[in-house]
Amino acid sequence: QSALTQPASVSGSPGQSITISCTGSSSDIGSFHVVSWYQQDPGKAPKLIIYEGTKRPSWVSSRFSGSKSGNTASLTISGLQADDESDYYCCSFASSNTWIFGGGTKLTVL
Amino acid sequence: QVHLVQSGAEVKKPGASVRVACQTSGYSFSFYALHWVRQAPGQRLEWMGFINGGSGDPAYSQKFQDRVTFARDTSATTVFMDLSSLKPDDTAFYYCARANYEMAGGFDSWGQGTLVTVSS
Repeated sequence: QSALTQPASVSGSPGQSITISCTGSSSDIGSFHVVSWYQQDPGKAPKLIIYEGTKRPSWVSSRFSGSKSGNTASLTISGLQADDESDYYCCSFASSNTWIFGGGTKLTVL
Repeated sequence: QVHLVQSGAEVKKPGASVRVACQTSGYSFSFYALHWVRQAPGQRLEWMGFINGGSGDPAYSQKFQDRVTFARDTSATTVFMDLSSLKPDDTAFYYCARANYEMAGGFDSWGQGTLVTVSS
């Protein structure tokens, strides 16, 4: 089972907005409303920032938002800040009671 | 407050087996599944499978199903991941993560990670 497809890197300047895409198939993202996003700083465990495609845990800033269309989920970060610089991973439930992660995207704040 | 604390780093030779423990606290152990995710150095997150805290039923990624076994000790609220026939490319950080059913299975709490190094 291969990974969901994410861009290897994205970048933006402070205050700007960026969007990270996550493309799967009709066997995962396209069929289930169970997409989550994680932020991972170097040497740290991942941190949940979006669940069920669009919902934010209470500990996450409203600058983070998620969406989904067809087989593609997206994470948008608005009002970019220096400490948003991190790696971001999408994850989806898939058929046969399995989960699948994306390849990860490195966000650079210029 | 939910805590997941994992066992310490391991160094193993090719062909050996390793057991990683994940001790949980701060929530009802039997109500949640615990997943295992690994990450080779500089690489992506990779889902390995999960164990249901209540029933003990596991589900494994097809990639690992011949070599991995999950177990749980309900009295110690601890889950275990056993990986056998280790190869050098099994060198990775191994994480346990709680799936929160109130968050559509999002992994809301993670262990600190256990580095397993496989080298002759």
